[in-house]
Amino acid sequence: SAVISQKPSRDICQRGTSLTIQCQVDSQVTMMFWYRQQPGQSLTLIATANQGSEATYESGFVIDKFPISRPNLTFSTLTVSNMSPEDSSIYLCSVWTGATDTQYFGPGTRLTVL
Amino acid sequence: QKEVEQNSGPLSVPEGAIASLNCTYSDRGSQSFFWYRQYSGKSPELIMFIYSNGDKEDGRFTAQLNKASQYVSLLIRDSQPSDSATYLCAVKVTGNQFYFGTGTSLTVIP
Repeated sequence: SAVISQKPSRDICQRGTSLTIQCQVDSQVTMMFWYRQQPGQSLTLIATANQGSEATYESGFVIDKFPISRPNLTFSTLTVSNMSPEDSSIYLCSVWTGATDTQYFGPGTRLTVL
Repeated sequence: QKEVEQNSGPLSVPEGAIASLNCTYSDRGSQSFFWYRQYSGKSPELIMFIYSNGDKEDGRFTAQLNKASQYVSLLIRDSQPSDSATYLCAVKVTGNQFYFGTGTSLTVIP
């Protein structure tokens, strides 16, 4: 299995500011994803982070609000821009390894926006 | 219709009993099926995956897949209080897209 780390693990931010979340994997992976999970809810896919090209966003999510970078096969960032209290959530990075055809999740970043 | 559907529960079983969790999916082209366990405040943890019709056993866990009926289930034998968590069913379709169910909350009562 892949070992995934995320930074920061949690943060409390002010309305109108931005936060960048980092995701690091211990091996090269084919696909990286960013999810959001609001309290008591299931996972919502934000986007697929593509190495060397623009991320693929799901309906309801836009690049201006959630810019994503993936400069190589082991690292990605998600920025939550111009935050509002509605952005308070857990943000999860996940990876899909073609070798095992399985998706693994990072530990998550718990974001609170005041 | 949602791609993956689960009964949200909560499901309560006594310690030592068998817990049965069910999941149905809509895309007949679905290729791979996964069960994740998520403790409160933690990220999802992969328990099992299954690709072929039939049963797959791993310790106290058994995944069952029936592609004709488009359902996948997870049985937990000898349930323990530590099994209390939310269980997420996930399906991978062509194009490497994953769909997650909303999860079933399981409580094992000592």
